[in-house]
Amino acid sequence: KNEVEQSPQNLTAQEGEFITINCSYSVGISALHWLQQHPGGGIVSLFMLSSGKKKHGRLIATINIQEKHSSLHITASHPRDSAVYICAVVGGAQKLVFGQGTRLTINP
Amino acid sequence: KAGVTQTPRYLIKTRGQQVTLSCSPISGHRSVSWYQQTPGQGLQFLFEYFSETQRNKGNFPGRFSGRQFSNSRSEMNVSTLELGDSALYLCASSLAWASGSNTQYFGPGTRLTVL
Repeated sequence: KNEVEQSPQNLTAQEGEFITINCSYSVGISALHWLQQHPGGGIVSLFMLSSGKKKHGRLIATINIQEKHSSLHITASHPRDSAVYICAVVGGAQKLVFGQGTRLTINP
Repeated sequence: KAGVTQTPRYLIKTRGQQVTLSCSPISGHRSVSWYQQTPGQGLQFLFEYFSETQRNKGNFPGRFSGRQFSNSRSEMNVSTLELGDSALYLCASSLAWASGSNTQYFGPGTRLTVL
């Protein structure tokens, strides 16, 4: 079993829909990152959080440390949100451990 | 500020050769981390350098090595290339070490193909 599990692996939705991507982890962590990777490989850091909730524009990230679970929400989704979203946790020795990613496709 | 740059962007090598990849961090950033991304294994942490010292290392064989220069630029080297080393190699910079606990800024990556 992977230390970081994301669901779903693939998600297709219509423009305007509310999107939720989930991340569960099995190890103790000090922080969790959400990353966005567009075709071509470039990765952008969306959020780093260790508790509670953060919001940036249409993106919201939450984390529940007790349940070892985090969610990334996208409101009013748009085709430009189509990308792979990756959850990564900061485990022992400050090493990042990554989930396998969720491929999101938003159709117009 | 200019972003993180990586050179070269694409590279084709044959088995047994060695390769050196370069990463220039954002000005003022002193930590550089390297990652390997493959379709099968996803993203994996290779190592982190801060102030010219390797501060952290992932579970990769000794064929993978790196270094950091006084201007924070970093290089990684892979010797005796294997087919399985074909991957996208990403570097990321951050202000402080223990980069996992800091926001990281990723470069565009170097796509290495081993034939």
